[in-house]
Amino acid sequence: KNEVEQSPQNLTAQEGEFITINCSYSVGISALHWLQQHPGGGIVSLFMLSSGKKKHGRLIATINIQEKHSSLHITASHPRDSAVYICAVPLSPGGGADGLTFGKGTHLIIQP
Amino acid sequence: EAQVTQNPRYLITVTGKKLTVTCSQNMNHEYMSWYRQDPGLGLRQIYYSMNVEVTDKGDVPEGYKVSRKEKRNFPLILESPSPNQTSLYFCASSLFISAGNTEAFFGQGTRLTVV
Repeated sequence: KNEVEQSPQNLTAQEGEFITINCSYSVGISALHWLQQHPGGGIVSLFMLSSGKKKHGRLIATINIQEKHSSLHITASHPRDSAVYICAVPLSPGGGADGLTFGKGTHLIIQP
Repeated sequence: EAQVTQNPRYLITVTGKKLTVTCSQNMNHEYMSWYRQDPGLGLRQIYYSMNVEVTDKGDVPEGYKVSRKEKRNFPLILESPSPNQTSLYFCASSLFISAGNTEAFFGQGTRLTVV
């Protein structure tokens, strides 16, 4: 069964700073998910990736399968990026029917 | 618009009073699941369903029931709620049985308080 560790748990930064959030997992996977949860509570999927790098606007996600590690980067951070960012991987290697397991999340605050 | 809809968004109830949280998706997804989110513990899976009439327990199923009579709906039932079930609940759906490998869509969450 996969386990997920995220760091840091909390991060406060100034507007414009480059942000990095890290995720490590214990068992080889077929895909990793980055999710965003805003203060209102809803969760949205940001990325699903299985290799290399993906970019969407100011968000960049990278994954190193050999090292079992992924990072989420935010360039030119803005107060509206303030949210909880959650890393998730399949519970079972190969992505079985039992779904996802989640990191505890990184609470990001961007101050103006 | 592709979406997962949960109701209610907020609920305060008393110990022992049966309640149902509804979840509906409009994407014809086979896979649906329920999670609870608690401070310091993150999201934990309660139950999941691979298709109509096929359900299975997740990590924390005690005190909960589910049913999947139609593909679009996956209600969560608390037969006799207790204060330790106070939590933020999320329903999610995805396209394939290999649920870890496809994008997950989440509902807006239901904040439940049991007094």
